[in-house]
Amino acid sequence: ETGVTQTPRHLVMGMTNKKSLKCEQHLGHNAMYWYKQSAKKPLELMFVYNFKEQTENNSVPSRFSPECPNSSHLFLHLHTLQPEDSALYLCASSQGQGQNYEQYFGPGTRLTVT
Amino acid sequence: DAKTTQPNSMESNEEEPVHLPCNHSTISGTDYIHWYRQLPSQGPEYVIHGLTSNVNNRMASLAIAEDRKSSTLILHRATLRDAAVYYCILKDTGFQKLVFGTGTRLLVSP
Repeated sequence: ETGVTQTPRHLVMGMTNKKSLKCEQHLGHNAMYWYKQSAKKPLELMFVYNFKEQTENNSVPSRFSPECPNSSHLFLHLHTLQPEDSALYLCASSQGQGQNYEQYFGPGTRLTVT
Repeated sequence: DAKTTQPNSMESNEEEPVHLPCNHSTISGTDYIHWYRQLPSQGPEYVIHGLTSNVNNRMASLAIAEDRKSSTLILHRATLRDAAVYYCILKDTGFQKLVFGTGTRLLVSP
């Protein structure tokens, strides 16, 4: 138990659906992250938020839309996804964004796009 | 961002020490060395990090070479639960993100 929870843990959606992934951290951290882990590929950073402000968008397609209403919650809104978007989506948080801070990861949401 | 090089896989026996190497010959003076691991079907887990001096915590030890061009993660007594992919990552002041490579897959045999 890392203090970072993600729901749902598994999600199957069609290409025309709209769904949202939720992340919550109970650590009092100020920075939150979305990562994508596709099969046989390294983790890829998608978005970074610091004090609710987006500080990084790693060239992510607009069909992925993040939202950070407060420092404890992070959402990833999904619409008109493609089958190649099937992956493990991981949320993480850290006290700050500096190089001396470690990140704490949630268990991930396994997404399958049909 | 500076690169790291790790072996693809390593094997160990239970209750033996494990030394996981990482080369980072282009490291800059302000890069921190971070280690994470990912157990099967889980998110990555922070293990340890350091800058210049060796570091110890309840999970592992980090030995950093004097020239900082390499480091070694030491698990003092491997358990079956330590079987995971271990990532060595450099984090700098300008590129304050974790950039994951392919890591080292550690296999632990009973």
